[in-house]
Amino acid sequence: GAVVSQHPSWVICKSGTSVKIECRSLDFQATTMFWYRQFPKQSLMLMATSNEGSKATYEQGVEKDKFLINHASLTLSTLTVTSAHPEDSSFYICSARDSTGTGRDNEQFFGPGTRLTVL
Amino acid sequence: QKEVEQDPGPLSVPEGAIVSLNCTYSNSAFQYFMWYRQYSRKGPELLMYTYSSGNKEDGRFTAQVDKSSKYISLFIRDSQPSDSATYLCATSTGGGNKLTFGTGTQLKVEL
Repeated sequence: GAVVSQHPSWVICKSGTSVKIECRSLDFQATTMFWYRQFPKQSLMLMATSNEGSKATYEQGVEKDKFLINHASLTLSTLTVTSAHPEDSSFYICSARDSTGTGRDNEQFFGPGTRLTVL
Repeated sequence: QKEVEQDPGPLSVPEGAIVSLNCTYSNSAFQYFMWYRQYSRKGPELLMYTYSSGNKEDGRFTAQVDKSSKYISLFIRDSQPSDSATYLCATSTGGGNKLTFGTGTQLKVEL
């Protein structure tokens, strides 16, 4: 159990376009999901906390108008990179907290990541 | 100063060696400590999860937390080539709260 999927696994887009990344908890409900960004040979940096039914909480320095987060259901959060530029090229990873009362609510389960390349 | 410091390596050891990976942290509010393994171009996989100080063992893996010195360790016994990956330490102030990661240590176990 505790499987998190991301779609797409990789995407190449032109500069100025928008890209949507989906994060799904497949076998549990998640009221809270997290979005991270990881540059090559660097650690994961938290971008925002996504809360089901409410606005996301963004970390300092992350532009909320550029990185739109929607957590419309208990199993799906989406991250939209708007007007993408080459500097947005990175590995985007989501994680989810299990809120179904299984006793795993202290853990975060990570998705496989989405590699974004902006040309 | 970063909240969580971790030597990036790379660390190369022979198969069968005992591996010691370490992190230090500065925020005394951190209560939960985790170790993740990340293979290239994949998401992190939780290896060990501990609360407060103490030791926790799971198979070939042992996690240690010393809150007095703000030092966390992961030991891997009888290391295997399949253990070659990047190991990330992470901390949080509360269960399920946002995680603060170290930079990760790249480990290579050679035949």
